[in-house]
Amino acid sequence: QKEVEQNSGPLSVPEGAIASLNCTYSDRGSQSFFWYRQYSGKSPELIMFIYSNGDKEDGRFTAQLNKASQYVSLLIRDSQPSDSATYLCAFSPGGSQGNLIFGKGTKLSVKP
Amino acid sequence: GAVVSQHPSRVICKSGTSVKIECRSLDFQATTMFWYRQFPKKSLMLMATSNEGSKATYEQGVEKDKFLINHASLTLSTLTVTSAHPEDSSFYICSARDPSGRRETQYFGPGTRLLVL
Repeated sequence: QKEVEQNSGPLSVPEGAIASLNCTYSDRGSQSFFWYRQYSGKSPELIMFIYSNGDKEDGRFTAQLNKASQYVSLLIRDSQPSDSATYLCAFSPGGSQGNLIFGKGTKLSVKP
Repeated sequence: GAVVSQHPSRVICKSGTSVKIECRSLDFQATTMFWYRQFPKKSLMLMATSNEGSKATYEQGVEKDKFLINHASLTLSTLTVTSAHPEDSSFYICSARDPSGRRETQYFGPGTRLLVL
């Protein structure tokens, strides 16, 4: 069964620190990986997607993908209290018709 | 990013009634939309994949006769919860795939909170 594993947290970091969120996935055929942010009571919001091995940076966010290790991570630099949310990792299984497999999410808390 | 809307945002109904939730892609045409359900403090669970002009594909364990999905146009998919019961109370979220981008990228609507009394 195709799965995504995430540490449920909560992960607590002080304001201004780097938050590191990690995710492993089971399907070696996966080509596309996504990070979504979900605030309490709200729907998920796309933060980043990554397809190639290595790093992808967008503002304070950096996604890292290592297909050999089946590992994807999200770094948030200069964490702010407004970053406090649940972060969902997702991947598109190889051969799929575009559906995504979501992890259970990691709850991040940024303390002022 | 692409914009997806849902209506209503919140609905309270009596047990046994049916509730229809609409999902619209506002600035793009979506041949595929997805319906999810999320219980409090639980993960997002895919219920079904809605394809324009064809029957929806339901995930294992989701009753297709209870959760009716219609995707009659490229910008609208509807989910009808028939004969709703208290255990159907949940947060229902749709998403749509923007075909102009990477095809697996999904954009979520704001969700519909259903409470069945």
